[in-house]
Amino acid sequence: EAGVTQFPSHSVIEKGQTVTLRCDPISGHDNLYWYRRVMGKEIKFLLHFVKESKQDESGMPNNRFLAERTGGTYSTLKVQPAELEDSGVYFCASSQVFGGELFFGEGSRLTVL
Amino acid sequence: GQQVMQIPQYQHVQEGEDFTTYCNSSTTLSNIQWYKQRPGGHPVFLIQLVKSGEVKKQKRLTFQFGEAKKNSSLHITATQTTDVGTYFCAGVGGGYQKVTFGTGTKLQVIP
Repeated sequence: EAGVTQFPSHSVIEKGQTVTLRCDPISGHDNLYWYRRVMGKEIKFLLHFVKESKQDESGMPNNRFLAERTGGTYSTLKVQPAELEDSGVYFCASSQVFGGELFFGEGSRLTVL
Repeated sequence: GQQVMQIPQYQHVQEGEDFTTYCNSSTTLSNIQWYKQRPGGHPVFLIQLVKSGEVKKQKRLTFQFGEAKKNSSLHITATQTTDVGTYFCAGVGGGYQKVTFGTGTKLQVIP
C-alpha cells in the first residue's frame, strides 16, 4: 500500500512568489491534515479536510494560504504571496478514522528568501 | 483553543539511562497519541491511548494516560542510540476531533 506522498520535497522561492504544495493521501483515507513545523519547533495544525470539505481551518495563518481538496482525493496548499516567515516544513497526514492514527508524508521543505 | 505542552524540551541521557517526557493539555481529551520523529524524518505513530488511567507498553516504552484525560507520559527504560529523535504527544479533542501536537521533547542519547 502506498503511503502519503508530498511534492515537492524542497522548494526555494523568493519573497512575493507563489508556491503550491501537493499531498496525495493514502487511498481511502477521508481525513487529510496539513501541519507546519518551523525551525524545529512544534508541529502546528493548519487545517483538516474530511473528503472534500474543510472540517477545521482554524490553524490557517492568514488569507495568503489557500488549501483545496477537489474531489476528496489529493490536496494542494498554495501560498501566495510567500513571506519570509512562511519558511518551514509542511507536513501532510491522512487518517482512515476520524481522530485516529495519522500517517505522515515526508514533508515539503519551503525556503523563502 | 486546545493547547498541548510537553516537558522537557530537550533531554540528553547516557545510553542505558531512563527517559521520561510529560504531556499536558489545557482541555480534556478524547484520546492521546504519541509520535516519534527522527532527525530529517517525518512523525511516525507509536501508540494511541483512549481510556482514563490507561497504561500501555511497547518493549522498553511505557505510555500512560492520566485519570482526568488531560495529561500523559512516555517513559523509556534503558535508552539506546536508536531512541534518538523528537517525541511528540498529540491530543485529540473538541467537536472536530482536532489533533493538536505537543511542543515535543528532543532526546539525545550519548553512547
